[in-house]
Amino acid sequence: TQLLEQSPQFLSIQEGENLTVYCNSSSVFSSLQWYRQEPGEGPVLLVTVVTGGEVKKLKRLTFQFGDARKDSSLHITAAQPGDTGLYLCAAYSGAGSYQLTFGKGTKLSVIP
Amino acid sequence: DTGVSQDPRHKITKRGQNVTFRCDPISEHNRLYWYRQTLGQGPEFLTYFQNEAQLEKSRLLSDRFSAERPKGSFSTLEIQRTEQGDSAMYLCASASGTGKGADTQYFGPGTRLTVL
Repeated sequence: TQLLEQSPQFLSIQEGENLTVYCNSSSVFSSLQWYRQEPGEGPVLLVTVVTGGEVKKLKRLTFQFGDARKDSSLHITAAQPGDTGLYLCAAYSGAGSYQLTFGKGTKLSVIP
Repeated sequence: DTGVSQDPRHKITKRGQNVTFRCDPISEHNRLYWYRQTLGQGPEFLTYFQNEAQLEKSRLLSDRFSAERPKGSFSTLEIQRTEQGDSAMYLCASASGTGKGADTQYFGPGTRLTVL
């Protein structure tokens, strides 16, 4: 099973600041997904990245897949209180497996 | 499309009791997953169904856990002889398609289990 390491584990910032969170592994992935989870709810898919070096934008969120497809980052510009939540990266565990493996997540708090 | 629903949302039980959770996936979704999430962790894969067939189970899954999807629609997850370590959020997700690669899983709100 591939291990996905996310950093930082916790992040507390003021509204309007920028931030970047990271997802790293020693394994190569065919694709990688980012989810956001709010307290008491299930995770919601934000984006899937497939190609090495790929950059995807979702409003103020920018997702990048590393060239070697071993790592990914999520950058948020001008964070808002509504961005508060647990950000999880996830990847399928290998060829032929249906198992989605998650990192431990980055818990983001944006203070008004 | 009403999304994935789970019942109950919360369950408190005493150690040694059996519990059963239900998941209703999005209509027409042929794939269904169960995950467990504890505090400070991401969801951990438990098992996967394609239609009514259980195709994959986590090696970490104790034999006290059993899941069914008898008609390829709703699914149940049963935990027998619960232990305090079973306390967690149990999440269900559904998806359509072949199940390989970059498919989108839609998660339910989860059932929070507390074992006293």
